[in-house]
Amino acid sequence: SYELIQPPSVSVSPGQTANITCSGDRLGDKYACWYQQKPGQSPLMVIYQDSKRPSGIPERFSGSNSGNTATLTISGTQTMDEADYYCQAWDSSTAVFGGGTMLTVL
Amino acid sequence: EVQLVESGGGLVQPGGSLRLSCAASGFTFSSFWMSWVRQAPGKGLEWVANIKQDGSEKYYVDSVKGRFTISRDNAKKSLFLQMNSLRAEDTAVYYCAGVGGNSWQFDYWGQGALVTVSS
Repeated sequence: SYELIQPPSVSVSPGQTANITCSGDRLGDKYACWYQQKPGQSPLMVIYQDSKRPSGIPERFSGSNSGNTATLTISGTQTMDEADYYCQAWDSSTAVFGGGTMLTVL
Repeated sequence: EVQLVESGGGLVQPGGSLRLSCAASGFTFSSFWMSWVRQAPGKGLEWVANIKQDGSEKYYVDSVKGRFTISRDNAKKSLFLQMNSLRAEDTAVYYCAGVGGNSWQFDYWGQGALVTVSS
């Protein structure tokens, strides 16, 4: 079955850039999405179709997807961005989520 | 305003059954694929099942095939998940989600319903 691999944790200082990677076999041939989840809340989509931002998502969130790796980039990271982030793609009509990355802003 | 409201969660014994419901409003329910996604306590997101707009296609994660059934009622703007032969490992918060767009992204999420399988 298809797998997406994320680092368990990423740390960043406020105002710096955070990069969260998601690896999967030929992931660049699929569309990648990213979801943010804060404690006790439902997931929120922050990037879809590799690099598009939904309405209401700050411009500091961006995405890319090429080869075997999709990347979520948060520029000028703020303390409010501290959360779990999940990548997701579809493989043969089944959805696959990465294991999630805990982003710590300190 | 888009709303997805799950109901039907609770405590059930191993081997038991439970039916989750999800009531949709604020968007054209009948135009969207719909999914169930679950999250075990302290764990990541896991896709469970999805269903096409007219109910003609359904897909499941291997671990629930033959035990769970996804269905929908477009007239009532409702999504369902019938869960049979429940196991301890099915314990999770179950989210109802609307799937849209060219990349089949999960555009909309409910608040989740907790299912606990324990004796």
